[in-house]
Amino acid sequence: DGGITQSPKYLFRKEGQNVTLSCEQNLNHDAMYWYRQDPGQGLRLIYYSQIVNDFQKGDIAEGYSVSREKKESFPLTVTSAQKNPTAFYLCASTEQGVDTIYFGEGSWLTVV
Amino acid sequence: EDQVTQSPEALRLQEGESSSLNCSYTVSGLRGLFWYRQDPGKGPEFLFTLYSAGEEKEKERLKATLTKKESFLHITAPKPEDSATYLCAVQAAFFTLWGTYKYIFGTGTRLKVLA
Repeated sequence: DGGITQSPKYLFRKEGQNVTLSCEQNLNHDAMYWYRQDPGQGLRLIYYSQIVNDFQKGDIAEGYSVSREKKESFPLTVTSAQKNPTAFYLCASTEQGVDTIYFGEGSWLTVV
Repeated sequence: EDQVTQSPEALRLQEGESSSLNCSYTVSGLRGLFWYRQDPGKGPEFLFTLYSAGEEKEKERLKATLTKKESFLHITAPKPEDSATYLCAVQAAFFTLWGTYKYIFGTGTRLKVLA
């Protein structure tokens, strides 16, 4: 079945540590996105990528980094510069010319 | 400023008690409005896309409608398994090198259906 796979489901970060969340899609979608979800807030865009080897900052990119070396993969690194990283992270993708955005199952990141 | 507001924040219904969820929006250049269902600890699951005022979409006990300023998600005779958070999002056009369209999400309505 086609879909978006995020891993790990649960991740713990120590102070000063960088961690990477994986996102893989087999939908052959062109665009991929990372969102952060906090209680009581709408989804906020961290980064997005329309094509391979190109990506753009979203509304809350500080403290995060991404890469897009392959069409199907869009990993997100939460760096030590992100001071409040505890949240639910969602990866999403869209097909060119189609408006609907589809989501993965999400990853929980907790600072310990 | 582009904005999406959902109401109520939370809703408790008895099984079989029909109701509606509201999504009001202000956005320049609306391309589409989307409804999602999100279960606790999971990613949003796509339900509907609406593009123009007057449009309606149905799926089982759910029906989504769209006007120029808001959308409603009507739930008819809900069952306990309909309990979830329902998210609304709008797609707005903004101009980038790639002609990217921005998605703006509401904070959701938490629905609890009691048996």
